[in-house]
Amino acid sequence: EADIYQTPRYLVIGTGKKITLECSQTMGHDKMYWYQQDPGMELHLIHYSYGVNSTEKGDLSSESTVSRIRTEHFPLTLESARPSHTSQYLCASSDQVSLGTDTQYFGPGTRLTVL
Amino acid sequence: ILNVEQSPQSLHVQEGDSTNFTCSFPSSNFYALHWYRWETAKSPEALFVMTLNGDEKKKGRISATLNTKEGYSYLYIKGSQPEDSATYLCAFRPTSNTGKLIFGQGTTLQVKP
Repeated sequence: EADIYQTPRYLVIGTGKKITLECSQTMGHDKMYWYQQDPGMELHLIHYSYGVNSTEKGDLSSESTVSRIRTEHFPLTLESARPSHTSQYLCASSDQVSLGTDTQYFGPGTRLTVL
Repeated sequence: ILNVEQSPQSLHVQEGDSTNFTCSFPSSNFYALHWYRWETAKSPEALFVMTLNGDEKKKGRISATLNTKEGYSYLYIKGSQPEDSATYLCAFRPTSNTGKLIFGQGTTLQVKP
């Protein structure tokens, strides 16, 4: 059973605020990912990390930033939230069982609304 | 740009009906194809990962097939139950990257009792 947690689950915030979405996993996975999903659209990868002190931008450009100081923790930060950031954000992690077939385990997501 | 297409976008069936939906992906640079089930207010849950042309996987009443030469995968649900109601996502992993998945939009299944 996957143990990956995201907080908050829902967030409504005003424009210009700085926010951090938390993601933690207790499985010791090296790889972690952040996806963004707009209603009715695909999950798009915005950030990923293959280990501590390793972060890369994903396929979808994002104004958010991430850090990976500890294996289990992969927070995402928006320095100044805007209405265009309104979306659902999902965090995932995986362990490299064999290259390419490692299953990603997802958190429940954070639904962000910026007014 | 690599596109993954799922059809239909949504599906309504009666309890007991069998159903299937399609995931289309690029046939070149194939490495793996994943299926996930995503129930409302829950986390997406992994169903299958398939890597070989002709692969068939089964989990209870749900099964999946893979054709890498023509670039499609089918997901079948036999005798749908209300608890099968969810969005089913497929994700393609090409050989050109290391672990990143490209997701389709999903097929949302609603099973009426």
